[in-house]
Amino acid sequence: DQQVKQNSPSLSVQEGRISILNCDYTNSMFDYFLWYKKYPAEGPTFLISISSIKDKNEDGRFTVFLNKSAKHLSLHIVPSQPGDSAVYFCAASGVGGSARQLTFGSGTQLTVLP
Amino acid sequence: DAGVTQSPTHLIKTRGQHVTLRCSPISGHKSVSWYQQVLGQGPQFIFQYYEKEERGRGNFPDRFSARQFPNYSSELNVNALLLGDSALYLCASSLAGQGTNQPQHFGDGTRLSIL
Repeated sequence: DQQVKQNSPSLSVQEGRISILNCDYTNSMFDYFLWYKKYPAEGPTFLISISSIKDKNEDGRFTVFLNKSAKHLSLHIVPSQPGDSAVYFCAASGVGGSARQLTFGSGTQLTVLP
Repeated sequence: DAGVTQSPTHLIKTRGQHVTLRCSPISGHKSVSWYQQVLGQGPQFIFQYYEKEERGRGNFPDRFSARQFPNYSSELNVNALLLGDSALYLCASSLAGQGTNQPQHFGDGTRLSIL
C-alpha cells in the first residue's frame, strides 16, 4: 500500500523553463511534507518543506504547493537549470506515535536539457 | 560544518553473515533515523532513535536492530543476511525527534551487497 505516490518516473524540461513535479498521498494523518533531490552516489539532499497549515512555501527558485483537499503537492522549479537534473523524492510525515518517520514516494527523474 | 557521515561507504558480505553500519549525526542533532533504499524505490523507514531511545520501528524483521550512543552516533546491525538485504542504507539526523517539524538530513549511505 503506497501512501505516497509519484506517478511520473521521469520528466524532461528545457533549460530556463518551469519544472513541475507532482506527488499524491493517501494518509490524512500526514501533516508535514518535504522534497529531496538525489544525485547518483549521494544521499538525498533536503530542498524544501511545507506544513499542512500552509498551502505554499517558497525558497528561491523552488516553490512547493499543497492541496490538502486533493491530497496533492507539487514542486515548481523556475527557471530550471541543467544542474537540477537529479531524482526528486517527495516525502511525508505525520503524528503517529512519537516517531517522525518519513514515507517516501518512488521518485521522479528530472532531466533539464541545455 | 560536517554533515551526516556514514561508514563504511561500501560493503560486500555473504548470506548468513552479520553487518554493522555506523552513522555520525550533524553536530547538535539528537535524532537519528535509518532507511533502506533498494533500486528504483524511495527510502523505506527502518528505525528512529531520539535521546538514545528507540522512538519508531518500520516493517522490518527482528534481524534488524540499532542503537544510539551517548554522543548521538548510531549503529545499525543486520544479522543472518539475505540476498534481499542488498541495498543502500541511509542514515538521517534532525534537530528534533518528535512533536516539531524539522527536516531530516541524510548521509551518503552505505552500499551493502550480499553475495
